[in-house]
Amino acid sequence: GENVEQHPSTLSVQEGDSAVIKCTYSDSASNYFPWYKQELGKRPQLIIDIRSNVGEKKDQRIAVTLNKTAKHFSLHITETQPEDSAVYFCAASTGGFKTIFGAGTRLFVKA
Amino acid sequence: EAGVAQSPRYKIIEKRQSVAFWCNPISGHATLYWYQQILGQGPKLLIQFQNNGVVDDSQLPKDRFSAERLKGVDSTLKIQPAKLEDSAVYLCASSFDRPYEQYFGPGTRLTVT
Repeated sequence: GENVEQHPSTLSVQEGDSAVIKCTYSDSASNYFPWYKQELGKRPQLIIDIRSNVGEKKDQRIAVTLNKTAKHFSLHITETQPEDSAVYFCAASTGGFKTIFGAGTRLFVKA
Repeated sequence: EAGVAQSPRYKIIEKRQSVAFWCNPISGHATLYWYQQILGQGPKLLIQFQNNGVVDDSQLPKDRFSAERLKGVDSTLKIQPAKLEDSAVYLCASSFDRPYEQYFGPGTRLTVT
């Protein structure tokens, strides 16, 4: 079946460094790619999303890039802060249908 | 605006018992989703409603799980009978339309013993 692979599963960075999380999807019809942040015991919250007609999108310290040919997309967080520590999930959907989430990346930002 | 509401927040049942979860989406949101999140994994879509119609239930274990969304607003998800592997957090989410941001509820943590 369709799936989304996410790497790494765990990422530890020093405060102020950058963090990169990568995802690969299998369904070539996927056209919407959101990223969610989930803090311990809390609900997932959207932090940024990108559609297939765009190659890159940026919002302050967060950016997402999409390579449709290779079917992968990445989340970039610059100038990381301790409050960025959380689990990050990528997802892929086709027109808002069949949303598939990756397994998650646990990000630790060390002060 | 009020967020997505879910109840109960926690539920402990024995295997083979039945359980039901309730979700009230954000007002005006046409699309409603139920996800199962097993500890340490990403959310897995169980069923998606557009208004009161089912648009995707391909990953719903239909022999034991059922869901409905009457009048295109509130929704209930039922498990009957429950198995040990159903222990998870059940998340409800809604979006204004698709594909737009999904707003998640606080979830119901189910423990099956």
